[in-house]
Amino acid sequence: EVQLVESGGGLVKPGGSLRLSCAASGFTFSNYMMNWVRQAPGKELEWVSSINSISNYIYYADSVKGRFTISRDNAKNSLYLQMNTLRAEDTAVYYCARAFGDYWGQGTLVTVSS
Amino acid sequence: DVQMTQSPSSLSASVGDRVTITCQASQDISNYLNWYQQKPGKAPKLLIYDASNLETGVSSRFSGSGSGTDFTFTISSLQPEDIAIYYCQQDDNLPYTFGQGTKLEIK
Repeated sequence: EVQLVESGGGLVKPGGSLRLSCAASGFTFSNYMMNWVRQAPGKELEWVSSINSISNYIYYADSVKGRFTISRDNAKNSLYLQMNTLRAEDTAVYYCARAFGDYWGQGTLVTVSS
Repeated sequence: DVQMTQSPSSLSASVGDRVTITCQASQDISNYLNWYQQKPGKAPKLLIYDASNLETGVSSRFSGSGSGTDFTFTISSLQPEDIAIYYCQQDDNLPYTFGQGTKLEIK
């Protein structure tokens, strides 16, 4: 069974940092592009960042470019999102998603507030 | 980025009704169009991929059609458990953009 489990969310002050993790199981992690998608409270889904299977292609939405860094460790079946210089508008549930979105984690809430 | 325009933004229908949601892409995306269902507090769930293919385990009352720029999602007979927000998504080009969602309610 495919499972994606996010962790690392929480409350952080504007300008602060957080590192999200996504632990994958039930499939060959190293074969798949992986992604972070977020959803602000009551809002639609926003594709944030993608990384291909061997980490040589990375995409960032303009809204996070220069502040967020996606990475993966195929030996540990894990995906990461380092989030720096956080802003109030980054407040959202962050989901880890496989490939185009065939499987999603349960999400982790990031709240940026003073 | 490919813009996805979904309509209507909300819809109220009765149990047993046929429900249709449309999605229009800002450019030709062939059949790279997916439909998701999201219930409160939950992650999106894939229902339809590649415009018309039913994901394994999903009820056959859900269906999709279309290609190019115009797509349709249909629930053949609305059930109470179908109350959710439905999103279209293109996966032709990164970022894999979503429509703004259709909130489906029971009349």
